[in-house]
Amino acid sequence: QSALTQPASVSGSPGQSITISCTGTNSDVGGYNFVSWYQQHPGKAPKLIISDVSNRPSGVSNRFSGSKSGNTASLTVSGLQAEDEADYYCSSYAGGNSLVVFGGGTKLTVL
Amino acid sequence: EVQLVQSGAELKKPGDSLKISCKGSGYNFNPHWIVWVRQLPGKGLEWMGIIYPSDSDTRYNPSFQGQVTISADKSISTAYLQWSSLKASDTAMYFCARLIITDTHVDYWGQGTLVTVSS
Repeated sequence: QSALTQPASVSGSPGQSITISCTGTNSDVGGYNFVSWYQQHPGKAPKLIISDVSNRPSGVSNRFSGSKSGNTASLTVSGLQAEDEADYYCSSYAGGNSLVVFGGGTKLTVL
Repeated sequence: EVQLVQSGAELKKPGDSLKISCKGSGYNFNPHWIVWVRQLPGKGLEWMGIIYPSDSDTRYNPSFQGQVTISADKSISTAYLQWSSLKASDTAMYFCARLIITDTHVDYWGQGTLVTVSS
């Protein structure tokens, strides 16, 4: 099962909005509404920020939002803050023996 | 508070065996799947396998089948990841995490165990 495709890096200035894409196939992203997003700061464990395409867990800032269209899911971070600078990973249910597939990760830089 | 606490960093030689652990607390450990995730240095996340502690039902990512063994001891709320013969290419950070199987998202993560394999 190939990894989901994410841009290697995105950047934005404080207060701006950015969007990170996550492209798969109709066997994973496009086939199920089971896309999750994780934030990982250097040297730390990942943290869940979005599940089920657009569900935000309790305690996660409402500046994070998720969506999906066809085989591409997206994470939008609005009102960028310095603390948002991190790596972001998407994942999707992929069925069968593959179960879960992750994206390659996107480094978000806040300028 | 849900916590997954992993064993400490390991420095091993090629050919050594190793078993790292992940102890859950703050929730009912047994009826929740645990997933092991590998992160190679400077790279992304890869799921290695999952285990259901209640009955030790285990499923492996085909890429890791035969390379590692995942187990659990439900009596002490602990999951394990083990290698019989380490290689330098096993050098990575390993995370355990609680997997919600219905939609395969991970809601709680361990702090990670760094495994370094070097002669």
